[in-house]
Amino acid sequence: EPEVTQTPSHQVTQMGQEVILRCVPISNHLYFYWYRQILGQKVEFLVSFYNNEISEKSEIFDDQFSVERPDGSNFTLKIRSTKLEDSAMYFCASSGGRSGGYNEQFFGPGTRLTVL
Amino acid sequence: GIQVEQSPPDLILQEGANSTLRCNFSDSVNNLQWFHQNPWGQLINLFYIPSGTKQNGRLSATTVATERYSLLYISSSQTTDSGVYFCAVVETGFQKLVFGTGTRLLVSP
Repeated sequence: EPEVTQTPSHQVTQMGQEVILRCVPISNHLYFYWYRQILGQKVEFLVSFYNNEISEKSEIFDDQFSVERPDGSNFTLKIRSTKLEDSAMYFCASSGGRSGGYNEQFFGPGTRLTVL
Repeated sequence: GIQVEQSPPDLILQEGANSTLRCNFSDSVNNLQWFHQNPWGQLINLFYIPSGTKQNGRLSATTVATERYSLLYISSSQTTDSGVYFCAVVETGFQKLVFGTGTRLLVSP
């Protein structure tokens, strides 16, 4: 069964460093998403991406964050200068069809980011 | 924005018991999903159910979109059912899933 994959599973970084989180969405899906979950809290939306551009973003997704689909399979989230409060589990998701989020979204296993 | 509330926040069951988890949402939706977050933090898709009723083994779900709620039923619970159950919705006109605060379930042997 197709699945969303993410690498790395765990990343530890120093405050102020740049990190890139990688995702491979399900191959025939058109919409891609990043969500995050701070420990003990609910899952929060960061950004959605369709047709090589951001289609929706949250207030959390400020200038420190960027997304890219560098080739036909990968989808990345970059945090330019990490802060302590960026420590969280980051989930990538994808959905098929042309209705975007109205279709079922499938989540990857997550990358746990720890900022020291 | 849309509000998603789940109840109860915590639930403790003996193995073999049945339970009902509830999700209320404040506006019309085009997507409703139920997830199980396991102890490793993974979000497991349980149901995509913007309306109607679905069943998958011991789990079933019902969404009454006109009344803005969804129910997740767990029958004959097992210790492996423990974890956090999230309801998430996509409000009409948007792309993002908005998650509830979850129900933390503990099933003891």
